Amino acid sequence: DSGVTQTPKHLITATGQRVTLRCSPRSGDLSVYWYQQSLDQGLQFLIQYYNGEERAKGNILERFSAQQFPDLHSELNLSSLELGDSALYFCASSAQGDSGPYEQYFGPGTRLTVT
Amino acid sequence: QQPVQSPQAVILREGEDAVINCSSSKALYSVHWYRQKHGEAPVFLMILLKGGEQKGHDKISASFNEKKQQSSLYLTASQLSYSGTYFCGTAGGTSYGKLTFGQGTILTVHP
Repeated sequence: DSGVTQTPKHLITATGQRVTLRCSPRSGDLSVYWYQQSLDQGLQFLIQYYNGEERAKGNILERFSAQQFPDLHSELNLSSLELGDSALYFCASSAQGDSGPYEQYFGPGTRLTVT
Repeated sequence: QQPVQSPQAVILREGEDAVINCSSSKALYSVHWYRQKHGEAPVFLMILLKGGEQKGHDKISASFNEKKQQSSLYLTASQLSYSGTYFCGTAGGTSYGKLTFGQGTILTVHP
């Protein structure tokens, strides 16, 4: 158990809908990362937040947005869902600030199925 | 740009050794190694930083050739629990958290 929690574990929804994935980082970690893992694209970095601010951005679609709240939990919002958005979405956390890279601890993931 | 891992897959018997390589075309600041078992989350193994610093588990060793932008993960005296998919993640410049992962190497250890 990494100490990172994600809810829900599974999500099945229809095309065009909007969903919110939630992540709580390990106690004391200030950085939260979101990743998408699919069979054809592998593990892809979406976005990083550090202490409430966006710190780094990957190939995140405009239909996707995220935020980190004052209590450090984070939410990833996916809208206008398409079949291709079906994937495993991981959240990870680390102690990282601007002083260098730290190990990232991954949550159990949310499996999203768009039908 | 995605780092390239080799081999794509390797099959071992318990006790055998394996090396997994990770190569990037971009200058790297750090290389991160993770192992993922089927249906589970990736688990941190090791970070190698430019300049030689390493952070990771005692039973895992790795190298980082900064000039060649290459890293290798050494798995010695493999155990059944080593089975899984190994990913390297690379970061360049000051975007320390923005990892680009390789396509993964599937390691299978048989009794």
